[in-house]
Amino acid sequence: DTGVSQNPRHKITKRGQNVTFRCDPISEHNRLYWYRQTLGQGPEFLTYFQNEAQLEKSRLLSDRFSAERPKGSFSTLEIQRTEQGDSAMYLCASSFNPSGTGGEQYFGPGTRLTVT
Amino acid sequence: KQEVTQIPAALSVPEGENLVLNCSFTDSAIYNLQWFRQDPGKGLTSLLLIQSSQREQTSGRLNASLDKSSGRSTLYIAASQPGDSATYLCAVRIQGAQKLVFGQGTRLTINP
Repeated sequence: DTGVSQNPRHKITKRGQNVTFRCDPISEHNRLYWYRQTLGQGPEFLTYFQNEAQLEKSRLLSDRFSAERPKGSFSTLEIQRTEQGDSAMYLCASSFNPSGTGGEQYFGPGTRLTVT
Repeated sequence: KQEVTQIPAALSVPEGENLVLNCSFTDSAIYNLQWFRQDPGKGLTSLLLIQSSQREQTSGRLNASLDKSSGRSTLYIAASQPGDSATYLCAVRIQGAQKLVFGQGTRLTINP
């Protein structure tokens, strides 16, 4: 399968614990995005990378959230000291955007986080 | 601030009907617009991408149109099938930005 993959698919954690999610983009896609989706809503943008550089972060991304994309390949999203309000589906997407063209974003299956 | 609205929130039609889903956006300065399909508990599947310079895109039984000046897009589904049941989301990419701004989606049910 050459699509975007995300692990784990489901995560249940207790409030206050740290969690880390991984996203593997489509090979050779230079841009990678993280979104969060709560029940009944459309996804909301969190952050994006061009290669290894994190170029934009949403105000939704509090200081408890951190994302990395070492070597411009896979990415990780870590949430520290989880809160019940962090319960959501975390979606990763990637695109190929040579010279600023409008690349189509391809999404992974998501990681469903439940904070108890 | 770009806002994207999808009406109706839910739609139920009998199998075989042609139908139209609506998407509107407040700022016409967009780079492109994407339509997605989402099955319950799953990720998003890209259906169609329309660049700002285009008026429509077609893929099989799907046709998406874009009227940038009026801030509207429609997704036309011909000869609907039960397998088309899903939530359909539209999203716009604003000029000068990389993120997509999504509507809340239309939950479509096709009844056999």
